[in-house]
Amino acid sequence: AQRVTQPEKLLSVFKGAPVELKCNYSYSGSPELFWYVQYSRQRLQLLLRHISRESIKGFTADLNKGETSFHLKKPFAQEEDSAMYYCALRTGANNLFFGTGTRLTVIP
Amino acid sequence: DTEVTQTPKHLVMGMTNKKSLKCEQHMGHRAMYWYKQKAKKPPELMFVYSYEKLSINESVPSRFSPECPNSSLLNLHLHALQPEDSALYLCASSQGIGTDEKLFFGSGTQLSVL
Repeated sequence: AQRVTQPEKLLSVFKGAPVELKCNYSYSGSPELFWYVQYSRQRLQLLLRHISRESIKGFTADLNKGETSFHLKKPFAQEEDSAMYYCALRTGANNLFFGTGTRLTVIP
Repeated sequence: DTEVTQTPKHLVMGMTNKKSLKCEQHMGHRAMYWYKQKAKKPPELMFVYSYEKLSINESVPSRFSPECPNSSLLNLHLHALQPEDSALYLCASSQGIGTDEKLFFGSGTQLSVL
């Protein structure tokens, strides 16, 4: 069975500080991993996906199959990064499983 | 148009009522999804339609009945719901059904069952 674990429900960092949101997964197949974000009063939207190996809004995430992790990182947090972040795992069955989410607060 | 539109935004219904949630997209996407999100919980998949055919039903009770009349529309018919069914119901769509597909979400329908 698949599982996505985000150990931190809440994370607060100061503006300009580095931020890392942790995500670990459990899946027997080849994983496709995503980070989705929900800003206040906005709809859930894709932030980035591991297959694209892209940097969006300064965020990056590297898939580490050995540690089964897909942590989200940004070197310098901005106030506008405050949001709810969900790590998600897509299985071959066309399903998208979400972790429990981490609410990031960037303190001015 | 790059949005998924859901109506209504809010719905209050009694346990004996019949109501429907509607979802619409005009991006030419061929997969559409219903998710349920309880307060402070992640979205949980309910149904997936692929090319207008139901491809996934995550053991959802029959009081929830999905319908995909065409490639742009997705409905969720509700009947004899329970108070514990109160939640945010999210619709999403994706271009196809590949595992790397990006999902586009609607803003949801906040449902309260009295």
